Amino acid sequence: NAGVIQTPRHKVTGKGQEATLWCEPISGHSAVFWYRQTIVQGLEFLTYFRNQAPIDDSGMPKERFSAQMPNQSHSTLKIQSTQPQDSAVYLCASSPRTGQDTQYFGPGTRLLVL
Amino acid sequence: GDSVTQTEGLVTLTEGLPVMLNCTYQTIYSNPFLFWYVQHLNESPRLLLKSFTDNKRTEHQGFHATLHKSSSSFHLQKSSAQLSDSALYYCALSDYVVGYNQGKLIFGQGTKLSIKP
Repeated sequence: NAGVIQTPRHKVTGKGQEATLWCEPISGHSAVFWYRQTIVQGLEFLTYFRNQAPIDDSGMPKERFSAQMPNQSHSTLKIQSTQPQDSAVYLCASSPRTGQDTQYFGPGTRLLVL
Repeated sequence: GDSVTQTEGLVTLTEGLPVMLNCTYQTIYSNPFLFWYVQHLNESPRLLLKSFTDNKRTEHQGFHATLHKSSSSFHLQKSSAQLSDSALYYCALSDYVVGYNQGKLIFGQGTKLSIKP
């Protein structure tokens, strides 16, 4: 079975440009999570969806970050006007129905903002 | 709010010696869900252990941990370190509440474990 798929694996943008990151969760999983990983901050929660509905976006920087899940097979994380401090590995994870379940992480998208 | 604190930074051990990585947590919920994730170089995090039951030891791949609600701890242990155990280890707390939400993970700052021959 395919795991969580994330594209692109690497992205380089110039300061002020837009970046869109894609995630395809494991088929049948109802929850999709986005995390960000940096050396300084470690793993930080950004946002999550359950059955495509946004549930918690408390970790999202408010002004430039947005996430959507238009259908059960993919989610997007969009960063407008990227800044150097947005450089990080963005990880998508999915899990089955309950909160006790394991979250399965994708390979991540490494974003570098120059 | 919820938080997780781990053994800080880098832990370097000689192969064959025991491993113990500390994890303590803070939460207002009486039934916390705790996880250990391991991340090897150039890979994504994957689950190593999880526990929801107080004072019950859980084991996987030679590692074990016991959730102690009395001390808010979930320390990771292994009796004999192997070179392949070198990785980044994250302790995480889920904010899952039955019937309420799916449970995002609140991670500790991570502990890098380096095993030397």
